[in-house]
Amino acid sequence: EAGVAQSPRYKIIEKRQSVAFWCNPISGHATLYWYQQILGQGPKLLIQFQNNGVVDDSQLPKDRFSAERLKGVDSTLKIQPAKLEDSAVYLCASSLDGFYVRGVLAGARGTQYFGPGTRLTVL
Amino acid sequence: EDKVVQSPLSLVVHEGDTVTLNCSYEVTNFRSLLWYKQEKKAPTFLFMLTSSGIEKKSGRLSSILDKKELFSILNITATQTGDSAVYLCAVPTQGGSEKLVFGKGTKLTVNP
Repeated sequence: EAGVAQSPRYKIIEKRQSVAFWCNPISGHATLYWYQQILGQGPKLLIQFQNNGVVDDSQLPKDRFSAERLKGVDSTLKIQPAKLEDSAVYLCASSLDGFYVRGVLAGARGTQYFGPGTRLTVL
Repeated sequence: EDKVVQSPLSLVVHEGDTVTLNCSYEVTNFRSLLWYKQEKKAPTFLFMLTSSGIEKKSGRLSSILDKKELFSILNITATQTGDSAVYLCAVPTQGGSEKLVFGKGTKLTVNP
């Protein structure tokens, strides 16, 4: 089974430039996550998609970060404009499916599997 | 606010040693606790624990959960240089998002 794919693996940009990251989850995984991991810290969730809908973007800095998953499969995360403090590894993860309570999506199910990440350096 | 605290933050041992990594948590509506190993960039899944007192084992790695005292330990016996990595502990938060809250990790270095 192919894992979560991400590109690029490394990116170096100057502050105020724009950058985009791509993620293709494991086939059949409905839930997709973007995490930001700053050096010395654990990953922090930026946004979670269930199919092509946003479930949680409470920690996404919406003034500069955006993400989409238009067809419910692969996803892009964009930063515009970048700041020095955005230097981090951006991890994409996916998990199998959601579960429903009385017909309403109540959460994701299953272990999250991570891609190799993109290391962003903002100069 | 949900919180995960890991200790120690860093550990250096020699090959063959046994290590114990600690993870304590505070979370509303606890459902599970996960351990990941992060070598270069991608965290790789090790264990998911949901019940107290039941040991999960995979080769030289084992883990156990104590829901009363709100902690978990990850044991690695007969360590090898390939065990050198950051070990992350995470819990899903309450609500529908299932987002994981991670600890800062324990950086394990195994010297030959």
